[in-house]
Amino acid sequence: AQRVTQPEKLLSVFKGAPVELKCNYSYSGSPELFWYVQYSRQRLQLLLRHISRESIKGFTADLNKGETSFHLKKPFAQEEDSAMYYCALSGGSGNTPLVFGKGTRLSVIA
Amino acid sequence: EAGVVQSPRYKIIEKKQPVAFWCNPISGHNTLYWYLQNLGQGPELLIRYENEEAVDDSQLPKDRFSAERLKGVDSTLKIQPAELGDSAVYLCASSLAGASYNEQFFGPGTRLTVL
Repeated sequence: AQRVTQPEKLLSVFKGAPVELKCNYSYSGSPELFWYVQYSRQRLQLLLRHISRESIKGFTADLNKGETSFHLKKPFAQEEDSAMYYCALSGGSGNTPLVFGKGTRLSVIA
Repeated sequence: EAGVVQSPRYKIIEKKQPVAFWCNPISGHNTLYWYLQNLGQGPELLIRYENEEAVDDSQLPKDRFSAERLKGVDSTLKIQPAELGDSAVYLCASSLAGASYNEQFFGPGTRLTVL
């Protein structure tokens, strides 16, 4: 069964501190992993995907197949990073549906 | 570009009433998804369309929910009759078939409150 687990509902950090949002998944195969973000009063949008191996807004995420994890990291949190973050997986190729975790609310304190 | 458009943005109805939500995907996106997002949860798929064909509706409660995408563009999701437990945000998303990765673009959602 496909499952995404985000163990933290809320994560509060001070501005300038490092951030790590945890994500673990369960999938029998090679999934595609994504992080989506929802800022206040905005729609859900893609932040980054594991296949591109890029850094977006200072965030990076590395797929660890051995630990079945895809944690999201940023070395120095900014106030504008405060948002709801969802980890998601997609099985196989093509436009298969996303399976989302429950989300983690990141609050960056000035 | 407006992105994925959904209407209405908010809807309040009494239980047992019918309700319908409308979605217009990004131009050229032939894959359309309806997701349900309950409070404190991530979105969960209800139905996926490839053009006008529903290719994945296994999570759609067919006793009260129905959906259509007649011309392979915009789509309507209907609930009849609505129950208290249907209060949630209904999200529509679209993506481009044949893309090398599965980036889905989401609409703003319709927040349904059933009284």
